[in-house]
Amino acid sequence: NAGVTQTPKFQVLKTGQSMTLQCAQDMNHNSMYWYRQDPGMGLRLIYYSASEGTTDKGEVPNGYNVSRLNKREFSLRLESAAPSQTSVYFCASSIGEAGYGYTFGSGTRLTVV
Amino acid sequence: GIQVEQSPPDLILQEGANSTLRCNFSDSVNNLQWFHQNPWGQLINLFYIPSGTKQNGRLSATTVATERYSLLYISSSQTTDSGVYFCAVDLGYSTLTFGKGTMLLVSP
Repeated sequence: NAGVTQTPKFQVLKTGQSMTLQCAQDMNHNSMYWYRQDPGMGLRLIYYSASEGTTDKGEVPNGYNVSRLNKREFSLRLESAAPSQTSVYFCASSIGEAGYGYTFGSGTRLTVV
Repeated sequence: GIQVEQSPPDLILQEGANSTLRCNFSDSVNNLQWFHQNPWGQLINLFYIPSGTKQNGRLSATTVATERYSLLYISSSQTTDSGVYFCAVDLGYSTLTFGKGTMLLVSP
């Protein structure tokens, strides 16, 4: 029972490099989310996918793109990494209906130098 | 957008003590969740509680939606309760807005 799996767990990038963070869930959830966590800022929503085939911007979408590849997988892409994108990134999923909570992945710690 | 304020920002307890964490929010919400982030960074959903009271072992939560606040009670605290507690609310679009958290340290 894996829940939400994120890869990689750690990554160091040089400014301007690109990378894709992968997220997969095995709970048959409809909705998936990407958050970033910075010290003193709590978690802020980057993008979300309410259901397969849809994606929407969250609070801090600039510099990111997403793909909902299928119901299980939701990836986050940094096209040209910047030091301001140094953060811990969390993927989460939910059924997407009232009465149900979120399940989070274990996070990806990204450093851009 | 909706504002979510948590208090206190930091809390230090002796093992065995009780505590109350508070979450105030600025608008009516359809969803309120409490999370615990352990020292290794893992976020665990504690409660889904848009209104009313729920209990799970030593933890309980109460949300008074009409007054726009929620409380998380921790009784007989243990060192494993240490970490950051987040309150998060949903306006009805299934996306959560998080508070900045309460950092709890329980010392033996």
